[in-house]
Amino acid sequence: EDKVVQSPLSLVVHEGDTVTLNCSYEVTNFRSLLWYKQEKKAPTFLFMLTSSGIEKKSGRLSSILDKKELSSILNITATQTGDSAIYLCAVLNRDDKIIFGKGTRLHILP
Amino acid sequence: KAGVTQTPRYLIKTRGQQVTLSCSPISGHRSVSWYQQTPGQGLQFLFEYFSETQRNKGNFPGRFSGRQFSNSRSEMNVSTLELGDSALYLCASRGTEYNEQFFGPGTRLTVL
Repeated sequence: EDKVVQSPLSLVVHEGDTVTLNCSYEVTNFRSLLWYKQEKKAPTFLFMLTSSGIEKKSGRLSSILDKKELSSILNITATQTGDSAIYLCAVLNRDDKIIFGKGTRLHILP
Repeated sequence: KAGVTQTPRYLIKTRGQQVTLSCSPISGHRSVSWYQQTPGQGLQFLFEYFSETQRNKGNFPGRFSGRQFSNSRSEMNVSTLELGDSALYLCASRGTEYNEQFFGPGTRLTVL
């Protein structure tokens, strides 16, 4: 059965710290991996990763995919309280099916 | 472009009743997926519709059903509600070019 596993499940850090969130997957016919941020209601799209080893960056957030290790990391540098959210990882396979992980709940202390 | 819209935003029902939730995708998107999100189980996939046909289905009982109309709007129906159906129901639409999903604000369903 296809699955996506995120770790840690929750994380509490102080403002200014750097965090690394992990996502590993076992999915047949992998196509791409997606990261979302969910603050209060709807998840908002962050990154889509298709190629291994190519870092995607948006401000203080960056992500990279390792197809050999079947995993991805999401880095957030110089964290701010506004980064507090649930971060969701999802994998899209070639049948156009999306499988979500359970998310990492990140809390940034001021 | 307007985003994904869902109605109603909040709903309170009692056990045994049925409920219909509605989702309007981003204009031009033909794929609509439905998810159930609870604190314990996270985001769980219900089903996906593409051009009025169910393309993928998650592991939910037959009480959960859906459909998609020719204008890509989708409805989800839950019959014989149970307390455990209380959750945030999210709808997401996807275009064909980049495949990332855009989520609606969700419908918070409470079953008493």
